[in-house]
Amino acid sequence: EVQLVESGGGLVQSGESLRLSCAASGFTFSSYAMSWVRQAPGKGLEWVSVVSGNGGSTYYADPVKGRFSIFRDNSKNTLYLQMNSLRAEDTAVYYCTGDSGGKDYWGQGTLVTVSS
Amino acid sequence: DIQMTQSPSSLSASVGDRVTITCRASQGIRNDLGWYQQKPGKAPKRLIYAASSLQSGVPSRFSGSGSGTEFTLTISSLQPEDFATYYCLQQNSYPRTFGQGTKVEIK
Repeated sequence: EVQLVESGGGLVQSGESLRLSCAASGFTFSSYAMSWVRQAPGKGLEWVSVVSGNGGSTYYADPVKGRFSIFRDNSKNTLYLQMNSLRAEDTAVYYCTGDSGGKDYWGQGTLVTVSS
Repeated sequence: DIQMTQSPSSLSASVGDRVTITCRASQGIRNDLGWYQQKPGKAPKRLIYAASSLQSGVPSRFSGSGSGTEFTLTISSLQPEDFATYYCLQQNSYPRTFGQGTKVEIK
C-alpha cells in the first residue's frame, strides 16, 4: 500500500523556521519527482516546490523562493521542506505529492500556522 | 509564469446532470494538464492526466479534453459522491499553477 505521511507542522511565530518531512512507502520513491502543495484555510490549492527523483533539480513558486528549500533523502524514502523566515501568509495545510507519469500520490497534509 | 483561468468558480447541479468545467491557459501547454477532485478535509485526488487520460480507478463518467490553451472536464451524469471542488493543474512548465477551483454543489 502506498503511503505518504507528512509531519513537522505546528504553530510558529512570524520570522521563525520549520522543517516538514514526508515519509514515503509502497512505491519506488527515487523514481518519482516529489512536490509540496499547500492550501490556506478556505482557499484553493497552491503549488510550492518540486524536487527531481535524484534530488538534482529543484523549482519553487515565487512567494517562497529564497525562503523555502526542498530536498530529499532517497536512502530514507523521505522528502523535506525547510521553511525559513515564515510569514502569516504561509499559514496552510501542506501536502506532499509524488508524480510519475500516470501515477499520482498524496499525503494527508500537515498544518502550519504562522502567528504574527 | 503560466496563468490558469478556471470557470465557473461554482455551480449548482442535480444528480444525473451533465457538468462541464473549463480551464484556459495563458499560453500553450500542449496536453500537460491534470484535473483534481477535492472533498472537504481531504487531500486532492487526480482524476485526469495528460488532459484526457483517465486515472486508474476513476469512474468513466469523468472525461477530459482539450490541448493548447483550452481544456474541459466533463462529468457525464453527476452522482452524489461527485459534489466536491475541482481544480486544473498545468504541468507544462515551472512554476506549476492551479486553476482557482470550481465548487460543485447540490441544486
